[in-house]
Amino acid sequence: AQRVTQPEKLLSVFKGAPVELKCNYSYSGSPELFWYVQYSRQRLQLLLRHISRESIKGFTADLNKGETSFHLKKPFAQEEDSAMYYCALSGGSNYKLTFGKGTLLTVNP
Amino acid sequence: GAGVSQSPSNKVTEKGKDVELRCDPISGHTALYWYRQSLGQGLEFLIYFQGNSAPDKSGLPSDRFSAERTGGSVSTLTIQRTQQEDSAVYLCASSAQSGAAKDTQYFGPGTRLTVL
Repeated sequence: AQRVTQPEKLLSVFKGAPVELKCNYSYSGSPELFWYVQYSRQRLQLLLRHISRESIKGFTADLNKGETSFHLKKPFAQEEDSAMYYCALSGGSNYKLTFGKGTLLTVNP
Repeated sequence: GAGVSQSPSNKVTEKGKDVELRCDPISGHTALYWYRQSLGQGLEFLIYFQGNSAPDKSGLPSDRFSAERTGGSVSTLTIQRTQQEDSAVYLCASSAQSGAAKDTQYFGPGTRLTVL
Protein backbone atom coordinates (compact mmCIF):
# COMPACT_ATOMS: atom_id res chain seq x y z
CA ALA A 1 0.00 0.00 0.00
CA GLN A 2 1.08 3.55 -0.67
CA ARG A 3 1.10 6.11 2.07
CA VAL A 4 2.33 9.69 2.36
CA THR A 5 2.77 11.38 5.70
CA GLN A 6 3.17 15.07 6.28
CA PRO A 7 3.64 15.38 10.02
CA GLU A 8 3.03 19.12 10.26
CA LYS A 9 -0.43 20.50 9.60
CA LEU A 10 0.77 24.04 10.18
CA LEU A 11 4.17 25.66 9.80
CA SER A 12 4.90 29.27 10.49
CA VAL A 13 8.20 31.03 9.75
CA PHE A 14 9.44 34.57 9.34
CA LYS A 15 10.41 36.06 6.01
CA GLY A 16 14.03 35.29 5.20
CA ALA A 17 14.18 32.24 7.46
CA PRO A 18 14.84 28.75 6.11
CA VAL A 19 11.86 26.48 5.73
CA GLU A 20 11.56 22.72 5.54
CA LEU A 21 8.29 20.90 4.93
CA LYS A 22 8.55 17.28 5.84
CA CYS A 23 7.26 14.37 3.83
CA ASN A 24 7.70 10.67 4.46
CA TYR A 25 6.34 7.91 2.32
CA SER A 26 5.69 4.22 2.38
CA TYR A 27 5.97 2.24 -0.83
CA SER A 28 7.52 -1.09 -1.61
CA GLY A 29 8.83 -0.26 -5.09
CA SER A 30 10.45 2.76 -6.70
CA PRO A 31 8.15 5.73 -6.22
CA GLU A 32 7.83 8.99 -8.03
CA LEU A 33 7.46 11.86 -5.62
CA PHE A 34 5.89 15.25 -6.19
CA TRP A 35 5.18 18.45 -4.34
CA TYR A 36 1.96 20.26 -5.21
CA VAL A 37 1.06 23.73 -3.97
CA GLN A 38 -2.24 25.53 -3.59
CA TYR A 39 -2.09 29.28 -3.11
CA SER A 40 -5.09 31.09 -1.66
CA ARG A 41 -8.04 31.02 -4.05
CA GLN A 42 -6.00 29.27 -6.73
CA ARG A 43 -6.07 25.73 -8.03
CA LEU A 44 -3.71 22.98 -7.06
CA GLN A 45 -0.56 23.02 -9.17
CA LEU A 46 2.62 21.04 -9.46
CA LEU A 47 5.60 22.66 -7.74
CA LEU A 48 8.26 20.09 -8.46
CA ARG A 49 8.91 16.40 -8.99
CA HIS A 50 11.91 14.43 -7.82
CA ILE A 51 12.72 13.05 -11.24
CA SER A 52 13.33 16.53 -12.61
CA ARG A 53 15.87 17.43 -9.95
CA GLU A 54 15.08 21.09 -10.46
CA SER A 55 14.62 24.10 -8.27
CA ILE A 56 11.33 25.91 -8.60
CA LYS A 57 10.75 29.28 -6.91
CA GLY A 58 13.84 28.56 -4.84
CA PHE A 59 12.42 25.27 -3.52
CA THR A 60 14.28 21.98 -3.77
CA ALA A 61 13.46 18.48 -2.63
CA ASP A 62 15.70 15.45 -2.49
CA LEU A 63 14.43 11.92 -2.49
CA ASN A 64 16.08 9.95 0.31
CA LYS A 65 15.22 6.33 -0.24
CA GLY A 66 17.00 5.22 2.91
CA GLU A 67 14.85 7.44 5.07
CA THR A 68 11.86 7.25 2.70
CA SER A 69 11.63 11.01 2.77
CA PHE A 70 11.10 13.81 0.27
CA HIS A 71 11.36 16.97 2.31
CA LEU A 72 10.81 20.35 0.63
CA LYS A 73 13.31 23.05 1.45
CA LYS A 74 13.91 26.70 0.76
CA PRO A 75 16.79 28.64 2.29
CA PHE A 76 15.03 32.01 2.51
CA ALA A 77 11.24 32.01 2.75
CA GLN A 78 9.20 34.78 1.14
CA GLU A 79 5.73 35.99 2.07
CA GLU A 80 4.40 34.83 -1.29
CA ASP A 81 5.37 31.27 -0.36
CA SER A 82 2.45 31.17 2.05
CA ALA A 83 0.24 28.36 0.77
CA MET A 84 -0.90 24.79 1.33
CA TYR A 85 1.72 22.27 0.28
CA TYR A 86 0.94 18.66 -0.55
CA CYS A 87 3.42 15.87 -0.98
CA ALA A 88 2.27 13.15 -3.39
CA LEU A 89 3.46 9.76 -4.53
CA SER A 90 2.91 7.71 -7.64
CA GLY A 91 4.21 4.17 -7.69
CA GLY A 92 5.66 2.57 -10.83
CA SER A 93 2.99 2.06 -13.42
CA ASN A 94 0.38 3.12 -10.90
CA TYR A 95 -0.61 6.50 -12.21
CA LYS A 96 -2.75 7.43 -9.24
CA LEU A 97 -1.45 10.11 -6.95
CA THR A 98 -1.53 9.40 -3.25
CA PHE A 99 -1.44 12.67 -1.36
CA GLY A 100 -0.39 13.59 2.13
CA LYS A 101 -2.82 15.65 4.16
CA GLY A 102 -0.92 18.85 3.47
CA THR A 103 1.01 21.46 5.40
CA LEU A 104 -0.20 25.03 5.60
CA LEU A 105 2.84 27.28 5.41
CA THR A 106 2.57 30.82 6.66
CA VAL A 107 5.46 33.20 6.09
CA ASN A 108 5.21 36.19 8.38
CA PRO A 109 6.68 39.62 7.52
CA GLY B 1 -4.58 27.77 -23.52
CA ALA B 2 -7.57 27.01 -21.35
CA GLY B 3 -7.00 24.86 -18.33
CA VAL B 4 -9.19 22.22 -16.79
CA SER B 5 -12.64 23.60 -16.05
CA GLN B 6 -15.28 22.29 -13.69
CA SER B 7 -18.90 23.12 -13.12
CA PRO B 8 -20.66 24.08 -11.02
CA SER B 9 -18.16 25.78 -8.75
CA ASN B 10 -20.50 25.32 -5.81
CA LYS B 11 -23.38 22.95 -5.27
CA VAL B 12 -25.68 22.79 -2.28
CA THR B 13 -28.08 19.90 -2.17
CA GLU B 14 -30.33 18.10 0.25
CA LYS B 15 -29.55 14.71 1.63
CA GLY B 16 -30.91 12.01 -0.62
CA LYS B 17 -30.77 14.00 -3.84
CA ASP B 18 -28.60 13.09 -6.83
CA VAL B 19 -25.91 15.46 -8.11
CA GLU B 20 -23.83 15.66 -11.26
CA LEU B 21 -20.44 17.31 -11.41
CA ARG B 22 -18.81 18.14 -14.72
CA CYS B 23 -15.19 18.29 -15.82
CA ASP B 24 -13.77 19.62 -19.08
CA PRO B 25 -10.15 18.51 -19.41
CA ILE B 26 -7.45 20.30 -21.31
CA SER B 27 -7.92 19.69 -25.02
CA GLY B 28 -5.88 16.74 -26.20
CA HIS B 29 -5.32 15.28 -22.74
CA THR B 30 -6.18 11.62 -22.84
CA ALA B 31 -6.02 10.92 -19.10
CA LEU B 32 -8.60 12.28 -16.67
CA TYR B 33 -8.75 11.87 -12.90
CA TRP B 34 -11.25 12.65 -10.17
CA TYR B 35 -10.14 13.32 -6.60
CA ARG B 36 -12.02 14.30 -3.47
CA GLN B 37 -10.70 16.80 -0.96
CA SER B 38 -12.46 16.61 2.37
CA LEU B 39 -11.72 18.19 5.69
CA GLY B 40 -9.27 16.10 7.62
CA GLN B 41 -8.88 13.52 4.85
CA GLY B 42 -6.73 15.35 2.37
CA LEU B 43 -6.96 14.44 -1.29
CA GLU B 44 -8.29 11.02 -2.21
CA PHE B 45 -8.22 9.40 -5.61
CA LEU B 46 -11.65 8.42 -6.92
CA ILE B 47 -11.47 7.32 -10.55
CA TYR B 48 -9.23 7.43 -13.61
CA PHE B 49 -10.00 7.40 -17.34
CA GLN B 50 -7.46 6.77 -20.06
CA GLY B 51 -8.53 6.85 -23.68
CA ASN B 52 -10.86 3.98 -24.51
CA SER B 53 -9.61 1.75 -21.72
CA ALA B 54 -11.89 0.63 -18.93
CA PRO B 55 -11.75 3.20 -16.14
CA ASP B 56 -10.05 2.46 -12.85
CA LYS B 57 -12.85 2.87 -10.32
CA SER B 58 -10.91 1.53 -7.37
CA GLY B 59 -11.13 4.77 -5.39
CA LEU B 60 -14.90 5.22 -5.53
CA PRO B 61 -16.12 5.07 -1.92
CA SER B 62 -19.47 3.42 -2.61
CA ASP B 63 -21.77 2.30 -5.39
CA ARG B 64 -23.60 5.61 -5.08
CA PHE B 65 -20.66 7.14 -6.96
CA SER B 66 -20.25 6.70 -10.69
CA ALA B 67 -18.50 8.54 -13.48
CA GLU B 68 -18.43 8.53 -17.22
CA ARG B 69 -16.39 10.15 -19.89
CA THR B 70 -18.08 10.84 -23.18
CA GLY B 71 -16.14 10.98 -26.42
CA GLY B 72 -12.87 10.84 -24.57
CA SER B 73 -13.30 14.40 -23.36
CA VAL B 74 -15.89 15.70 -20.90
CA SER B 75 -16.46 13.70 -17.75
CA THR B 76 -19.38 13.64 -15.34
CA LEU B 77 -19.18 12.42 -11.76
CA THR B 78 -22.58 11.42 -10.39
CA ILE B 79 -23.39 10.92 -6.75
CA GLN B 80 -26.74 9.30 -6.06
CA ARG B 81 -28.69 9.64 -2.83
CA THR B 82 -26.18 12.08 -1.41
CA GLN B 83 -25.18 11.84 2.23
CA GLN B 84 -23.72 14.50 4.48
CA GLU B 85 -20.35 12.74 4.44
CA ASP B 86 -20.21 13.36 0.69
CA SER B 87 -19.66 17.05 1.39
CA ALA B 88 -16.22 17.89 -0.01
CA VAL B 89 -14.41 19.61 -2.83
CA TYR B 90 -14.31 17.41 -5.90
CA LEU B 91 -11.27 18.00 -8.07
CA CYS B 92 -10.72 16.95 -11.64
CA ALA B 93 -7.30 16.69 -13.28
CA SER B 94 -6.04 15.77 -16.71
CA SER B 95 -2.70 14.79 -18.15
CA ALA B 96 -1.28 14.38 -21.59
CA GLN B 97 -0.27 10.73 -21.85
CA SER B 98 -1.57 7.42 -20.80
CA GLY B 99 -1.01 6.60 -17.22
CA ALA B 100 2.65 7.43 -17.04
CA ALA B 101 3.28 8.88 -13.61
CA LYS B 102 5.81 11.22 -15.07
CA ASP B 103 3.12 13.28 -16.73
CA THR B 104 1.99 16.34 -14.88
CA GLN B 105 -1.59 16.34 -13.72
CA TYR B 106 -3.29 19.68 -14.26
CA PHE B 107 -6.07 20.38 -11.80
CA GLY B 108 -9.34 22.18 -12.19
CA PRO B 109 -10.68 24.68 -9.65
CA GLY B 110 -12.94 22.10 -8.06
CA THR B 111 -16.62 21.83 -7.22
CA ARG B 112 -17.51 22.45 -3.61
CA LEU B 113 -20.38 20.13 -2.70
CA THR B 114 -22.41 20.73 0.44
CA VAL B 115 -25.02 18.20 1.45
CA LEU B 116 -27.49 19.53 3.99
